[in-house]
Amino acid sequence: GAGVSQTPSNKVTEKGKYVELRCDPISGHTALYWYRQSLGQGPEFLIYFQGTGAADDSGLPNDRFFAVRPEGSVSTLKIQRTERGDSAVYLCASSNDRDSPLHFGNGTRLTVT
Amino acid sequence: DQQVKQNSPSLSVQEGRISILNCDYTNSMFDYFLWYKKYPAEGPTFLISISSIKDKNEDGRFTVFLNKSAKHLSLHIVPSQPGDSAVYFCAASAAGTYKYIFGTGTRLKVLA
Repeated sequence: GAGVSQTPSNKVTEKGKYVELRCDPISGHTALYWYRQSLGQGPEFLIYFQGTGAADDSGLPNDRFFAVRPEGSVSTLKIQRTERGDSAVYLCASSNDRDSPLHFGNGTRLTVT
Repeated sequence: DQQVKQNSPSLSVQEGRISILNCDYTNSMFDYFLWYKKYPAEGPTFLISISSIKDKNEDGRFTVFLNKSAKHLSLHIVPSQPGDSAVYFCAASAAGTYKYIFGTGTRLKVLA
């Protein structure tokens, strides 16, 4: 079956612009996660959805970051007024339940110039 | 505050020998642990997990050991193969939460 799909795979944007990153989770997975990975670091938790609701958004760095999952499937991570420090690989993952492993997509590499 | 630590940024092992990757954690509430492998330009791929009710879990060439008193876990790969060369991450979550905290990774290189 299809895995987690993230689009675009690469995104280059200018400082101050708005970007949207999309995640299609594995069909039937109720839990969806967004992580961010900078060079030489491990994935850093951003937000977790259970169904349509954000169950834990404690990792979002500031109010420029926002994520939605309106129908409990596809999710969009939105970044306003991008800054160069936002450059990273944004990873999406989904899972069945808490004690099931996370299945990751290949990520979106965001570069802010 | 790094709650999950992988203190060895890199490791080189000869093909056929054992690879041992280590991970330490500070949060005593962590009760579920995962190991992931990551190749360049790909997302992390799940390898093996362990719950805190166990001290060992084995899957083929991969074995994870958990020492709760020391807050330490390790991943053993035997025998190591060149295709195992990748970055390995450990991750942990606390009881009642779905939030996984990842370590900074260890780059394994298996030499042919």
